Amino acid sequence: DSGVTQTPKHLITATGQRVTLRCSPRSGDLSVYWYQQSLDQGLQFLIQYYNGEERAKGNILERFSAQQFPDLHSELNLSSLELGDSALYFCASSVAVRAARGDEQFFGPGTRLTVL
Amino acid sequence: GENVEQHPSTLSVQEGDSAVIKCTYSDSASNYFPWYKQELGKRPQLIIDIRSNVGEKKDQRIAVTLNKTAKHFSLHITETQPEDSAVYFCALGGGYNKLIFGAGTRLAVHP
Repeated sequence: DSGVTQTPKHLITATGQRVTLRCSPRSGDLSVYWYQQSLDQGLQFLIQYYNGEERAKGNILERFSAQQFPDLHSELNLSSLELGDSALYFCASSVAVRAARGDEQFFGPGTRLTVL
Repeated sequence: GENVEQHPSTLSVQEGDSAVIKCTYSDSASNYFPWYKQELGKRPQLIIDIRSNVGEKKDQRIAVTLNKTAKHFSLHITETQPEDSAVYFCALGGGYNKLIFGAGTRLAVHP
């Protein structure tokens, strides 16, 4: 158990719908990262928040958005869902704002999203 | 730019053999090189990492070597066991907030 929690574990929805994925970082971690992992694919970085502020953006679609709340939990909102959005979505947390400091990113168990 | 190439994409070895996975990068600002292991359907987990001021680091059967001049780093697993079967990802850190992940190597260890 990494200490990072994600809910829900599984999500099945239809095209065109909107969903919200939730992540609670490890106690004391200020950075939250969101990744998308499609079937048999690598980890695609979506976005990072540090202490409530967006700090880095990756290949995140305009239909996707995220935020980090004062209690440091984060939500990833996916709207106008398409079949291709089906994937495993991970969040990770770390203490530092910069990966350069060598602070480990701890991954949550992921949310498996299936769009039918 | 922010890019890391990982090879091979798949690797099949016999139990007890060694496995080597290599990653190459281009950004000189990279100074942190972690390796993650992901078992089927599970979260990626850090197994070893190295910083740019160190050339090699070992932890029991796994080791990572770094050649900053040539801009490549490698994961070495000795005396492989079936439970080593997983997907391994290299990553880069440094100069930016996020980790840049390689495409992954699917390692299969056959008894």
